[in-house]
Amino acid sequence: ETGVTQTPRHLVMGMTNKKSLKCEQHLGHNAMYWYKQSAKKPLELMFVYSLEERVENNSVPSRFSPECPNSSHLFLHLHTLQPEDSALYLCASSQDPGPGETQYFGPGTRLLVL
Amino acid sequence: KQEVTQIPAALSVPEGENLVLNCSFTDSAIYNLQWFRQDPGKGLTSLLLIQSSQREQTSGRLNASLDKSSGRSTLYIAASQPGDSATYLCAAYPGAGSYQLTFGKGTKLSVIP
Repeated sequence: ETGVTQTPRHLVMGMTNKKSLKCEQHLGHNAMYWYKQSAKKPLELMFVYSLEERVENNSVPSRFSPECPNSSHLFLHLHTLQPEDSALYLCASSQDPGPGETQYFGPGTRLLVL
Repeated sequence: KQEVTQIPAALSVPEGENLVLNCSFTDSAIYNLQWFRQDPGKGLTSLLLIQSSQREQTSGRLNASLDKSSGRSTLYIAASQPGDSATYLCAAYPGAGSYQLTFGKGTKLSVIP
């Protein structure tokens, strides 16, 4: 497996469920990112991790909880979501965080909250 | 706060035509500007990255320009092909110390055979 992978690719959950999104990068990068892409809105940065340490939390509600156990894996734990949280969630990685670094994206997880 | 705008939201052209996609940004104090491609149901693929000190970057049939003073960037695609059909996103990176890559909503390009 190469590049950035995400599982599951599609997820349907109720507002009381708890689920987790997984991202894995096979590029030896040090930085990983979670983005949210809603219909008719620009892509929004949610979290940035550098060497397993969170370096940015872009005012994301606490019902989204990220976890980075090592530099290759990133999780997004979801609980008590709202219908407006339905979106495409994209994971990305780069050699290091910050400007000048090309980010490599995974295919995304399409989330539907009922 | 940086805002990135892409016009038009959608564009349809016949195969073989040259075309230009537009991107504008409100804060000229950017570190770099990047163009991405997104295919349906897939993630983003980086196409070109222009540093703030550069005027343009080229890759194959793609040429991206940057004019910081006017807050504009363009992506030129030569001799378009049906395989170029996708959504094209531009994103501006602010100065050093921030991780906030600000994206536009994208231009959906359809190249008709």
